Amino acid sequence: GEDVEQSLFLSVREGDSSVINCTYTDSSSTYLYWYKQEPGAGLQLLTYIFSNMDMKQDQRLTVLLNKKDKHLSLRIADTQTGDSAIYFCAESNLGLSGGYQKVTFGTGTKLQVIP
Amino acid sequence: NAGVTQTPKFQVLKTGQSMTLQCAQDMNHNSMYWYRQDPGMGLRLIYYSASEGTTDKGEVPNGYNVSRLNKREFSLRLESAAPSQTSVYFCASSESRETPYEQYFGPGTRLTVT
Repeated sequence: GEDVEQSLFLSVREGDSSVINCTYTDSSSTYLYWYKQEPGAGLQLLTYIFSNMDMKQDQRLTVLLNKKDKHLSLRIADTQTGDSAIYFCAESNLGLSGGYQKVTFGTGTKLQVIP
Repeated sequence: NAGVTQTPKFQVLKTGQSMTLQCAQDMNHNSMYWYRQDPGMGLRLIYYSASEGTTDKGEVPNGYNVSRLNKREFSLRLESAAPSQTSVYFCASSESRETPYEQYFGPGTRLTVT
């Protein structure tokens, strides 16, 4: 089945760039996503990339996709204390009955921003 | 527009007790999902409902049942709770025929089974 893996923890200083990495196994992924989970809350979609793209930039966020290596990364420029959260990588494919997309989530990376 | 709401927010059960987790969405989404979140394991899909009137098993359905009561509501039932079901439960919804298949999550229910 599909598998999505991330490192569990990342610590950076405020103002530095953060890079969160993810690897996945499903070669039929249609979209790849980054979700953010703040303490005590549910997940919220941060950004996504279509599987035939290499890069997507959205303000302080840059997503890089290497399809050959099945590697996805999220770069946060000028990291702020408000960016402290758990970041989940996810991928979707046509995996559910009836032709619906199945979303597989990674284990999450906890980002700690040190003031 | 409340999005996805879940009740209760916290619950403590004794082994063998039953309970129902409630979920409702006001975004007119067709698809709804129940996940559990455990440390170091990410989110795992318990059950989903692709559209009103249908439900299907996800990765970890054992010990759970679901009901898609109407388009808005999707409940998760634990018939006989076990300590292994201690977890945080998230309900989500999506308009899953529209790209990019964004899922909207509720705030979660923190369940402890003793």
